[in-house]
Amino acid sequence: AQSVTQLGSHVSVSEGALVLLRCNYSSSVPPYLFWYVQYPNQGLQLLLKYTSAATLVKGINGFEAEFKKSETSFHLTKPSAHMRDAAEYFCAVSDRGSGNTGKLIFGQGTTLQVKP
Amino acid sequence: EAGVTQFPSHSVIEKGQTVTLRCDPISGHDNLYWYRRVMGKEIKFLLHFVKESKQDESGMPNNRFLAERTGGTYSTLKVQPAELEDSGVYFCASSLAGTGLNQPQHFGDGTRLSIL
Repeated sequence: AQSVTQLGSHVSVSEGALVLLRCNYSSSVPPYLFWYVQYPNQGLQLLLKYTSAATLVKGINGFEAEFKKSETSFHLTKPSAHMRDAAEYFCAVSDRGSGNTGKLIFGQGTTLQVKP
Repeated sequence: EAGVTQFPSHSVIEKGQTVTLRCDPISGHDNLYWYRRVMGKEIKFLLHFVKESKQDESGMPNNRFLAERTGGTYSTLKVQPAELEDSGVYFCASSLAGTGLNQPQHFGDGTRLSIL
């Protein structure tokens, strides 16, 4: 069965510091991987996705993530945090195996706090 | 382009009552998904429609939940009778069909359901 683990339910960084949100997945076949962000009182917004075209994926708002098959990881990074990045971030996997309907399996979520 | 619309945004009902949630997907999106996040837990898949057909309802908790998508446009999710453990945020998402599983899902803002 597929699963996603996000290490750290809360991450706090100072404005301007590196953001690193960790995600590890478990899948029997190479998956599709996604990062979503949820700002307060809003729905989930897609940050970026990995679908095997390139292992380093660039997303919106300066975020990027690198797919590492050997480590089964898809960590999200941003070189310099802004106050507006404070939100909850979700890593998700979708199996590309036959018969799959595209449903997403989410990690537990990581709340990012950005301190001035 | 209008996004995925869900209403109501909030619903507070008493145990034993009935509630119906509605989701309007992005126009032209054949795939429609329902997810739920119970407080403190991860976002979990409930079911998936392709047009008006249920493709996967493996995540539906029990027979108190009924989802429909008549005509392949908007969808409703009815909970009858509601129980305390049904409280949470219900998300709807939609995506294009026919172009592979890597089509990103676009999420609505969710309906926050509180059962008293």
